[in-house]
Parts: sequence; structure tokens; C-alpha cells
Amino acid sequence: EPEVTQTPSHQVTQMGQEVILRCVPISNHLYFYWYRQILGQKVEFLVSFYNNEISEKSEIFDDQFSVERPDGSNFTLKIRSTKLEDSAMYFCASSLGLAGLTDTQYFGPGTRLTVL
Amino acid sequence: QKEVEQNSGPLSVPEGAIASLNCTYSDRVSQSFFWYRQYSGKSPELIMSIYSNGDKEDGRFTAQLNKASQYVSLLIRDSQPSDSATYLCAVNPNYQLIWGAGTKLIIKP
Repeated sequence: EPEVTQTPSHQVTQMGQEVILRCVPISNHLYFYWYRQILGQKVEFLVSFYNNEISEKSEIFDDQFSVERPDGSNFTLKIRSTKLEDSAMYFCASSLGLAGLTDTQYFGPGTRLTVL
Repeated sequence: QKEVEQNSGPLSVPEGAIASLNCTYSDRVSQSFFWYRQYSGKSPELIMSIYSNGDKEDGRFTAQLNKASQYVSLLIRDSQPSDSATYLCAVNPNYQLIWGAGTKLIIKP
């Protein structure tokens, strides 16, 4: 069964450093998403991406965040200058993109980002 | 501000009994509703989706939607210890899932 994959599973970085989190969505899916979950808190939407551009973004997704689909398979989230409060689990998700708002989103296993 | 509310629990249910999980949402225009299960340290896993008022059954799971009351529920019949997890309610108003904080369910053998 196709699945979303994410690398690395755990990333440790120093405050102020740049990190890139990588995702490979399910191959025939057209919509891609990033969410984050701070330990013990609810899952929060960051950004959705369709047709090589951002579709929606939340207030969390400020200028220090960017997303890119550098090739036909990868979808990346870059955090330019990490802060302590960026420590969280980051989930990538993808959906077919054909069913509108009823599209089901499938999640990858997550990358745990620890900022020291 | 779009909100999704869930009782955080924990909800403790004996093995074999019915577990009932509830969720309310604030955005009246929301059209699609999802229940995900999340084990500790893992990613959300889709259990059920529901889009129309009424009940939707899938095996031991039944989702119920009442748009007039802005209320979604999930029933788990014949609860098993493996059902112990946090159940997340999510609403999709605009190509983004808005999440509740989740209800922790504990199934006692």
C-alpha cells in the first residue's frame, strides 16, 4: 500500500541554524501539506501546496518557513533560523486532490525536530 | 477563529464495551469531518470520514454527524485493548485540517 515517507525521523539542531525536512508524498497525489505537533499539544496546520504553489497557510507559517517541490517526488519544509519553540513533531501529508474538501489526507510518520 | 473541541479524557472503557467519543466544531460551513487515531509518538491514522448528516458504519466503528448541532461522534463497538490511543477529530473547512486536542481512550482488559 502506498505511503507517505519522511526523512529524517529525528533532527537535532542548534538555535539559529537552518533545517530542511523532507517528504515523499504518495505518487499520484496532487495536494501536499505540512502540520506540526508540539509535545502534548494539538496538531496544527502549517501549509498546503498544490500545482507548485502555496494554496493555504496558517499564521504559524511566517517568513522563516518555506516549502518547495524540488523534483517530481520530494516535498520539503525549510526553517531558516530555528528557534527553541520550533521543537515539535512535523508531519507531512498528501491527498489525491480530486474530491475537494472531502479529500482524505494521509500522513507520514513524522520528523521529530529538537532545537537546542 | 475556527475551533474544534473534544473532551481530553482519559475515557476508560471495559474491554468489549462501546466507547463513545464526541467532538463539536464552530465553523458552520465545514463540509467534511474526520476521525484519526494517534498512538503515542506516532502520526495520525485515519479511522473514519463523514460528510453527510446521519450515521456511517465501518466495521466496529460508527461515525455520527449532526450539522445543525455542529456535532460529530465516533462509536467503537466491542472495544479492544489495541483501541487504546488518542482519538483526534478534524474538520476540513478549506484545504486544511483543523484539529481538536484529542480524547485519550483507555480500554481496560
